[in-house]
Amino acid sequence: EPEVTQTPSHQVTQMGQEVILRCVPISNHLYFYWYRQILGQKVEFLVSFYNNEISEKSEIFDDQFSVERPDGSNFTLKIRSTKLEDSAMYFCASNLRQGPLSGANVLTFGAGSRLTVL
Amino acid sequence: AQKITQTQPGMFVQEKEAVTLDCTYDTSDPSYGLFWYKQPSSGEMIFLIYQGSYDQQNATEGRYSLNFQKARKSANLVISASQLGDSAMYFCAMRDNNAGNMLTFGGGTRLMVKP
Repeated sequence: EPEVTQTPSHQVTQMGQEVILRCVPISNHLYFYWYRQILGQKVEFLVSFYNNEISEKSEIFDDQFSVERPDGSNFTLKIRSTKLEDSAMYFCASNLRQGPLSGANVLTFGAGSRLTVL
Repeated sequence: AQKITQTQPGMFVQEKEAVTLDCTYDTSDPSYGLFWYKQPSSGEMIFLIYQGSYDQQNATEGRYSLNFQKARKSANLVISASQLGDSAMYFCAMRDNNAGNMLTFGGGTRLMVKP
């Protein structure tokens, strides 16, 4: 079964350092997302990306965050200068088609990258 | 604004019994979709079942079914014949047209299946 692949599975970094989280979405999917889940809290939307542009972003996705799809397969989330409160599980997700998410246009998540900021 | 509420932080169920996980939602949009995802201890989010606001029938997928009560704005997940592998966090999520393809998640319910 096709899957969304994320690396690294766990990263520990010092406050103020830059971090890049990588994702390989399902190969024929066109729409890409990052979500995060702070330990014990809700899963929260960060950003959606289509056709090499950000489609939507939440209030969490401030200037220290950026996304790009550098080579047509990887989809990356960069955090420029990490803070303690960035410690969370970051999920990449993708879906195939334009139009509303549904049972026929499922949002498929990766296994997550756990970021720990010390 | 969207809101999803899961009132049960934790639930126990005996193996082979059925269990219902509650989810209520709030939206002003008549067109919306409701999703359930399972998150085992390994961390990945696994799609289980979907219900559209205009769907006439309650969704079913194998042992999973959705008790969709539109007037009450509830979309409870029913798991029949629980298995030990069902032990996990379960999240209800919603999409509506006001928010594009952004999913809003509830706080989750941790289900523990007892042998």
